[in-house]
Amino acid sequence: KNQVEQSPQSLIILEGKNCTLQCNYTVSPFSNLRWYKQDTGRGPVSLTIMTFSENTKSNGRYTATLDADTKQSSLHITASQLSDSASYICVVRANYGQNFVFGPGTRLSVLP
Amino acid sequence: EADIYQTPRYLVIGTGKKITLECSQTMGHDKMYWYQQDPGMELHLIHYSYGVNSTEKGDLSSESTVSRIRTEHFPLTLESARPSHTSQYLCASSVAGDRETQYFGPGTRLLVL
Repeated sequence: KNQVEQSPQSLIILEGKNCTLQCNYTVSPFSNLRWYKQDTGRGPVSLTIMTFSENTKSNGRYTATLDADTKQSSLHITASQLSDSASYICVVRANYGQNFVFGPGTRLSVLP
Repeated sequence: EADIYQTPRYLVIGTGKKITLECSQTMGHDKMYWYQQDPGMELHLIHYSYGVNSTEKGDLSSESTVSRIRTEHFPLTLESARPSHTSQYLCASSVAGDRETQYFGPGTRLLVL
């Protein structure tokens, strides 16, 4: 069964600190992996996308990595800001059909 | 900021009522989607459309229907609302491609009493 798991479920950090969120997946055949940021009460917004041949992608203070062999991805946030408080969702797309598989998200809270 | 809109943003309704959730996008995207998301849980695909007059059911069994008469409009209808329908409903649109990016609306939060 195609699944995406994320850890931790929630995370609290102080402003200015770094953090890393994890995503493990069993989706096959793999097409791409995307990280979304979802603010409370809003729809998800795309941060990065990586295909099989890409093992790292940055978007400002966000850096995503992909290990397609172990089927793992991480999202690293550098010098966190209060506005980073949100849910971060890992989405893996299979190489057929409309198969976007969403993870449950990691809820990040950045405190002053 | 994506040009995709959902109305209403919040809705409280009684059991058995018929409701329609509206979704419109001004980006000319062919593909549109409806997802259901419970708090702290993953998104589940309810319906999707490849274009006008095209609609397909997603993974989540839902007593809902959709229509796609115009490219920009993809309404979701619940014929008879039940408390189990209480959830957040997210609409998205995209252009087909290998790196297809889904643009999401702000969502409709539905409470069925």
